[in-house]
Parts: sequence; structure tokens; C-alpha cells
Amino acid sequence: ETGVTQTPRHLVMGMTNKKSLKCEQHLGHNAMYWYKQSAKKPLELMFVYSLEERVENNSVPSRFSPECPNSSHLFLHLHTLQPEDSALYLCASSQDLATGTPNEKLFFGSGTQLSVL
Amino acid sequence: TQLLEQSPQFLSIQEGENLTVYCNSSSVFSSLQWYRQEPGEGPVLLVTVVTGGEVKKLKRLTFQFGDARKDSSLHITAAQPGDTGLYLCAYNNAGNMLTFGGGTRLMVKP
Repeated sequence: ETGVTQTPRHLVMGMTNKKSLKCEQHLGHNAMYWYKQSAKKPLELMFVYSLEERVENNSVPSRFSPECPNSSHLFLHLHTLQPEDSALYLCASSQDLATGTPNEKLFFGSGTQLSVL
Repeated sequence: TQLLEQSPQFLSIQEGENLTVYCNSSSVFSSLQWYRQEPGEGPVLLVTVVTGGEVKKLKRLTFQFGDARKDSSLHITAAQPGDTGLYLCAYNNAGNMLTFGGGTRLMVKP
């Protein structure tokens, strides 16, 4: 496989469930990201990891818990979610965290479509 | 906080028509990126524009960065159904923290 792979593609969960989203990148990149895409909002950055260390937490509620065990894998652990958390969750990677270099490129996975009932 | 406004939000056209979508801000950017997101997929980078007034072409797609580097446009010539998708502009903060506009959702009917 190549690129950025996310599983599962679709997930339906109740508000009391605990589930995890998985992301794997096969590009040898050092930085990984979680984005949230809702129907009525622009793409929102949630978390950023560089070399397995979290470097950004964009005021995300604690019911979302990221984990980066190595530079190729990223997880998003979910618990006691709310219906408004229903969205497409996108994982992305880049070679390194850029310092504003314009040609740095993000590679996105296909996302996990999450529905919270 | 810099804000990117994209217009129109929705656009439905027939195959063969031309169209232009816009990405505007009151702030100056060092660069802007355009992504296309097809249904059921993640965004894919199309182009990065860096220099004020720059024009880049990608087959039937023409991207322009405003002279003042506050706005950008994407023009599609002879649109095809395969162009259907969500077109997103984004600017890149330090540390590759991309901030996206709300997007233009394009549908090209055969």
C-alpha cells in the first residue's frame, strides 16, 4: 500500500461507546495530523504530531484523545461523544513540520465518516 | 486570525462550460494552496501559488494569485464531470498548519 490509509471508512457509535480511528502512512513522513470536516464548517485542525510528539492541540475537547506510537501510525480515541461530533475525520502527513515553506505538501487519507447517535 | 472566504459556495454547471471560483482575504499571504476533494476522498493538492500576479496552469485549470497576494482564483475551461468535487484554498502557517477556506462545491453535469 502507498499513501495514507485510514480505518474504518465508516463508523456509527452511540454516545456511551468507546472507539478508535486508525491512520497509517507509508510515505516515511515525520509529521501527522488529525483534521475534522463538518458539513457546515471549514476543515478544522485538531492535533499535530512531529516525530511522535504532540506539537499542537487546537482546543479540542478531552473526549478526543490522540496517540502516536511511532512516526507511521496515528490514532484518535473517542469516548462519550456527542451527536455534534458527527463528521468526516481526516488524517494527513507531511515530510516534516514546515517553517512556512510554501511548497510543503500535505497528503490526506480518505477519512473516517463518523456518525454519533 | 486570517480568514479565507471562498465563493461561490455551490456551483452546478453543464459539461463544457467555463467557470471561475474565488478565494479572498483581507490579509496578505506568502503563499496559497488549492486542493480538490472528490466525494468520499481526502483533499489532494493541486497547486501552490507564491508570487503576486503568478499564473499557473494545470491542464484545463488556471490558477492566479492576486498582485497584492490577498486573493486567488481558479478558472476551469470546458468543465468535465470528472472535475466534480470540493475545491479548497488554504494558507500555510509556520509549522505546516494549514488553514482552509470553506470551499466551493462544484457539480458538473454530463
